[in-house]
Amino acid sequence: DAGITQSPRHKVTETGTPVTLRCHQTENHRYMYWYRQDPGHGLRLIHYSYGVKDTDKGEVSDGYSVSRSKTEDFLLTLESATSSQTSVYFCAISEGGSPQETQYFGPGTRLLVL
Amino acid sequence: GIQVEQSPPDLILQEGANSTLRCNFSDSVNNLQWFHQNPWGQLINLFYIPSGTKQNGRLSATTVATERYSLLYISSSQTTDSGVYFCAVEQGSNDYKLSFGAGTTVTVRA
Repeated sequence: DAGITQSPRHKVTETGTPVTLRCHQTENHRYMYWYRQDPGHGLRLIHYSYGVKDTDKGEVSDGYSVSRSKTEDFLLTLESATSSQTSVYFCAISEGGSPQETQYFGPGTRLLVL
Repeated sequence: GIQVEQSPPDLILQEGANSTLRCNFSDSVNNLQWFHQNPWGQLINLFYIPSGTKQNGRLSATTVATERYSLLYISSSQTTDSGVYFCAVEQGSNDYKLSFGAGTTVTVRA
């Protein structure tokens, strides 16, 4: 158990509204990631962080922003939700710099945009 | 970016059967991981295996980096092995960004 929680676990929202998803970890891992999972696509990286206030884009970052003001929290924001952002969102961590750079995943957040 | 292809897309097994899942990737990698997503959606890391062979109980994995493929073996399958198996690779940046394949859906029938 890598001590990763996500909130909320489920959310229904309307098109055009802002949405913020939270990932919280308890073990001070440096690297944190946000993925989305859609049928037929596996998981795709949205944004990642390599330290406090250090973030970068992944392959599907359009329409998303992130913030990391402290080590334990990584926030994903949909500024104006669209139906195409209906998905399951996973947060992950990896220690980075360790001999085995294994990624561990949170339980996921299921988001429905109407 | 790097392409990751998994085969077969779907696999139906009778309990007790053995199976092999394959992951092909289009470029050299320095990180390859196998994950299992159970029917409740939880993602579990099975192996970190950029090269060589590893075993964990009834599961084992082999990566031949020079030929750009990895194999996941499931022996004596059980119904709890059902779910989706993902292969993910990292090309070589320092940020440990993984690119995932589309997965193999495994159904084990009692």
